[in-house]
Amino acid sequence: EDQVTQSPEALRLQEGESSSLNCSYTVSGLRGLFWYRQDPGKGPEFLFTLYSAGEEKEKERLKATLTKKESFLHITAPKPEDSATYLCAVRSNYQLIWGAGTKLIIKP
Amino acid sequence: GAGVSQSPSNKVTEKGKDVELRCDPISGHTALYWYRQSLGQGLEFLIYFQGNSAPDKSGLPSDRFSAERTGGSVSTLTIQRTQQEDSAVYLCASSSGSPGDNSPLHFGNGTRLTVT
Repeated sequence: EDQVTQSPEALRLQEGESSSLNCSYTVSGLRGLFWYRQDPGKGPEFLFTLYSAGEEKEKERLKATLTKKESFLHITAPKPEDSATYLCAVRSNYQLIWGAGTKLIIKP
Repeated sequence: GAGVSQSPSNKVTEKGKDVELRCDPISGHTALYWYRQSLGQGLEFLIYFQGNSAPDKSGLPSDRFSAERTGGSVSTLTIQRTQQEDSAVYLCASSSGSPGDNSPLHFGNGTRLTVT
């Protein structure tokens, strides 16, 4: 059964303290892995798409990487405005399978 | 330009009542999705519309749930005889392409449904 697990459920960091969020997946043939950001009371907002192991994408303080079993969202020197829930999703056929998300809190 | 618009933003209803949730996708987007988001769980797929094709209803949890999309634009999700377990945030998303081309989804801000 296709499955996506995100860890940790929540992460509290001080401003400037770098860390990584994990997305582990089990799918029968990966056709895309997606990262979205969701602010409270808002819908998810697209960040990245990764297709194959070894691929990396960057946007400001965020860098997403992909292996055959997991993806990491690295956040470098985060700011309070990076606080949000980060969602991971994978596509194995034509539907997306979503993780439960990691709630990231950056304290000033 | 305007993003995906959902209404109402909040809906409180009594158990057993019917509710209608509305979604206005981004103009020109042919694909429209409905998802349900419950606390601590991943987004749950409900239904998918692509152009004039028959919708994929495989995610609808029961026959109390139905959805339509008129004129390839506005969509309405209807829940009949609501139950407390229907309480959740209902998210609508639209996309310019199809799932096969991995076009990003553009989400609305959702409707928070509370069944008392």
